[in-house]
Amino acid sequence: QITLKESGPTLVKPTQTLTLTCSFSGFSLTTSGVGVGWIRQPPGKALECLALIYWNDHEHYSPALRNRLAITKDTSKNQVVLTMTNVAPVDTGTYYCAHNLRTTLETSHFDYWGQGSLVTVSS
Amino acid sequence: SYELTQPPSLSVSPGQPASITCSGDKLGEKYTSWYQQKPGQSPVLVISQDNKRASGIPERFSGSNSGNTATLTITGAQAMDEADYYCQAWGSNTVVFGGGTTLTVL
Repeated sequence: QITLKESGPTLVKPTQTLTLTCSFSGFSLTTSGVGVGWIRQPPGKALECLALIYWNDHEHYSPALRNRLAITKDTSKNQVVLTMTNVAPVDTGTYYCAHNLRTTLETSHFDYWGQGSLVTVSS
Repeated sequence: SYELTQPPSLSVSPGQPASITCSGDKLGEKYTSWYQQKPGQSPVLVISQDNKRASGIPERFSGSNSGNTATLTITGAQAMDEADYYCQAWGSNTVVFGGGTTLTVL
């Protein structure tokens, strides 16, 4: 079965770089149509897709945050890493990684989610 | 950038239908997915590609999409359906989520 798990710091200081790792099992990021995305949710607020990487190495980013984000994959380790630079308190929230499936970009959706990782940005 | 708009809240009585809308420019020309999120839990895929129920989702959940509006319908809402619901589509070259709708069944 497909499982994903997020790991990383729970507390980060403003201006620092946040690095989160998604470790997954039950699928391969070399399979056509498969991707992994990072989605965050500030406390009490809506979901926001930050970044997405596909089997073909294509990357997609939130237009509002693309200058601060980088997503990479390591298919040998079954991991996807998200880095976010220059964090601020507004970046506080739960960060989820999720398995993405598509036949075309328009059909993209997340069918399996990790449990989420709460990250607090504070000095 | 592309935006999806949902009503913040919806309240229905048990056994009554619940329709949650999601609006976006020419949304009917895209595919819409829907997610359910209960407090303290990760989101769960309910509907993909407008009207395909995800595995394990009850038949009372259905989806449609036309014009500028996609709709998630629950025929006969139950107390267990109380949750936040998010629509999602592809826009601005990435995944876009709506602002979410809190469904109350009472």
